[in-house]
This record gives sequence, C-alpha cells and structure tokens, in this order.
Amino acid sequence: DAGVTQSPTHLIKTRGQHVTLRCSPISGHKSVSWYQQVLGQGPQFIFQYYEKEERGRGNFPDRFSARQFPNYSSELNVNALLLGDSALYLCASSLGTSGGAGELFFGEGSRLTVL
Amino acid sequence: GIQVEQSPPDLILQEGANSTLRCNFSDSVNNLQWFHQNPWGQLINLFYIPSGTKQNGRLSATTVATERYSLLYISSSQTTDSGVYFCAVDDYKLSFGAGTTVTVRA
Repeated sequence: DAGVTQSPTHLIKTRGQHVTLRCSPISGHKSVSWYQQVLGQGPQFIFQYYEKEERGRGNFPDRFSARQFPNYSSELNVNALLLGDSALYLCASSLGTSGGAGELFFGEGSRLTVL
Repeated sequence: GIQVEQSPPDLILQEGANSTLRCNFSDSVNNLQWFHQNPWGQLINLFYIPSGTKQNGRLSATTVATERYSLLYISSSQTTDSGVYFCAVDDYKLSFGAGTTVTVRA
C-alpha cells in the first residue's frame, strides 16, 4: 500500500514568489495535516483538514493557506515567500475519526529553499 | 500550548549499548507518538502510545500519562538507529519536542 506522497521533493524559489506543495494521503485516510520543520527544530503545526473542512490552524501568517480536495488530497500554498520560509514541509495523514489528531503518518516532505 | 521537553538533546552510543530517551509534557494529552527521523527527513512511526508499555523488536516505550512523561528504550543499539528521535503529544494537533539526536558508533 502506498504511504503519504508529497510533491515536489525539492524546490528553490526566490523571495516574493509563491509556492504550492501537494500531498496525497494514505488510502482510506480522510484527514491531512501540514507541518513546517526548520533546521534543528521539531516540526510545527500549520493546518489540519478533515473532510475538506479546516479543523485546526497553527500560528502562521495569512500568507499560508491550504485546502483539501474531494479525493482527500491537499495543497499547501505560501505567498510572498520570505527567506525564513525555507524549511522542510511535512504532510501527514490520519483516519481523522478520533477526537484528537489521531495517529499520524508522514510523507517524505518537500524541502523548500528561498533565495 | 503544551510544552514538550526531550532529554538528553544528544546521545552518543557504542554499538550494542542500551539507552533511554525521555519525554516530559506539561498537560494532559489525548495521545503520544514517538518518531525516528531518518537522514532524508522522513518521520518514521515508532509508537502510538497514550499509556502503558509497548514493544517492537529492540525498541520499547512506556507512557505514564498521570505523571506526564514517556520513555523510549533502545536496546542493543545498531548504527542504523542513528538519527533524531521525536516525541509528539496530541492536543488536537501534534506538538513536538526538540528531539534527541542519537549517534551510534561501530
């Protein structure tokens, strides 16, 4: 069975540009979450979506947005990129049926470098 | 938000040694997960453990929810165990600790 898949795996952007990252969850999982991991730190929560509805949002500026599609895949968009947005962006999927975050399974990540 | 503290921050082991990693958290949580982050950045699930003890091969974990801590045990360590180990608590999102970087030397 396929795990969580993310694309692209690596990308380089310049300040001010925007970026779209994509994620496909494990088959049968209805919830997708996004996390940002900067070098040397633990991942930080950005968004969670369940059944196409936003279920949670972390402490990130409005330049960050996301959506979930009817097939449960998801996109993370970041506008007006800053140097500080350089990070590994991790997508995780879960069944979404528990009251909490549930057991999360992560993809390999998209490594974004902003120059 | 919930504070998650992991210790030690760094651990150097000789192959074959045993070790214990600790995770303390500041409030009640729905659940707790342990991950191993490989050199390519992927987070590999180790345990999903709200309470009690679980074992998987040379790894085991114990969570004492009432005392707000969890322990990860690595026995007979191997070089492939090297990497960063994260504890994450579920308070409707995963809140991660800063990780323990484990280096196993042959």
